[in-house]
Amino acid sequence: GAVVSQHPSWVICKSGTSVKIECRSLDFQATTMFWYRQFPKQSLMLMATSNEGSKATYEQGVEKDKFLINHASLTLSTLTVTSAHPEDSSFYICSARDTEGQMGSYNSPLHFGNGTRLTVT
Amino acid sequence: TQLLEQSPQFLSIQEGENLTVYCNSSSVFSSLQWYRQEPGEGPVLLVTVVTGGEVKKLKRLTFQFGDARKDSSLHITAAQPGDTGLYLCAGREYGNKLVFGAGTILRVKS
Repeated sequence: GAVVSQHPSWVICKSGTSVKIECRSLDFQATTMFWYRQFPKQSLMLMATSNEGSKATYEQGVEKDKFLINHASLTLSTLTVTSAHPEDSSFYICSARDTEGQMGSYNSPLHFGNGTRLTVT
Repeated sequence: TQLLEQSPQFLSIQEGENLTVYCNSSSVFSSLQWYRQEPGEGPVLLVTVVTGGEVKKLKRLTFQFGDARKDSSLHITAAQPGDTGLYLCAGREYGNKLVFGAGTILRVKS
């Protein structure tokens, strides 16, 4: 089945530094990828929709200058948390929609990465 | 963005018991998905329901999509400790966005 690889799986950084998280679709092309944030024992909150070759669409309340998203190819999207603070500590998960075989279908499969645990000290 | 209410938020039951998790919205979704997530991992898709009134079974799990495509339920028969985890419903908006419910933490005690 389709696999989405997310890297790193965990990262600890100091307050004020920036952290980049990668999301790769390994065996399919993904024109659209999604970035979520999840706090312990809570649901996933959509942060932004990453579109290949264009600007990401951010959800209300998500600072685009703080959470930089780049979707430079059909298999890679990156999320950079800039000037990280302890309150940015969270579990970040990406997902990618497999558009092959069901072009234009709103019900095409969505594959999730295994997440990145970010701890800002 | 449409809202999806999921209940209960937490469920602790004995092995062998049955349970039902509900997902409700005032809005219509093009499809609805159920995921199970283990700590430190990404959600794993269990099922997608598309047609109003649709019922799908996955071993001891039964998923139902409401006739109006606004609600869904997950029923687990004879729960086992291996069923323990976070269950998430997610509705697919017509604009492609996936909206998640708050999640249900299920704990099955042996």
